[in-house]
Amino acid sequence: EAQVTQNPRYLITVTGKKLTVTCSQNMNHEYMSWYRQDPGLGLRQIYYSMNVEVTDKGDVPEGYKVSRKEKRNFPLILESPSPNQTSLYFCASTQGLAGHYEQFFGPGTRLTVL
Amino acid sequence: AQSVTQLGSHVSVSEGALVLLRCNYSSSVPPYLFWYVQYPNQGLQLLLKYTTGATLVKGINGFEAEFKKSETSFHLTKPSAHMSDAAEYFCAVVPDTGRRALTFGSGTRLQVQP
Repeated sequence: EAQVTQNPRYLITVTGKKLTVTCSQNMNHEYMSWYRQDPGLGLRQIYYSMNVEVTDKGDVPEGYKVSRKEKRNFPLILESPSPNQTSLYFCASTQGLAGHYEQFFGPGTRLTVL
Repeated sequence: AQSVTQLGSHVSVSEGALVLLRCNYSSSVPPYLFWYVQYPNQGLQLLLKYTTGATLVKGINGFEAEFKKSETSFHLTKPSAHMSDAAEYFCAVVPDTGRRALTFGSGTRLQVQP
């Protein structure tokens, strides 16, 4: 089954404690991205990756890091989480241009930073 | 200017009534338009999309949307609401040609009353 998986699904942590949210896709997609969803703001893109070892900032990259060492994996790293990073995070992947190919979303990771 | 605007953060309808969720987009974006649905505690699922061709687009679960260039609108409708339609709905656009990411509206939460 074609899917995007994320782990963990729920995470409660404290300010400053480094964490990683994993994302994996089994569709051989080149393009992967991370979004955060906040009430009244919809989804905003944090970082994206066009291919292995190619990453770039999205609209709200501050406080986040990513890496793309393998095509299937795209972890999101919070080196020093802060309460304003409490949010619902989605990983997504797609085969190509957004107008022509569907984006597939993971189930989401709900992060709370105390 | 916002690429995409959803009017009404909450919409409530009675079961069996018409569902109308509004989406307006910036005339500067390419004509690729999407509606996604997010059921409670789940990721985003593509409802329908317009990329080219017929301006009335039919999606899953009885939803449809009409691309109206003159009004820069892409409203989502369903003739008869069902309790299972209760969810959050997001309109999304491709912000510029060549992008693989989407820009999302702020979302509309649909409540269906018995």
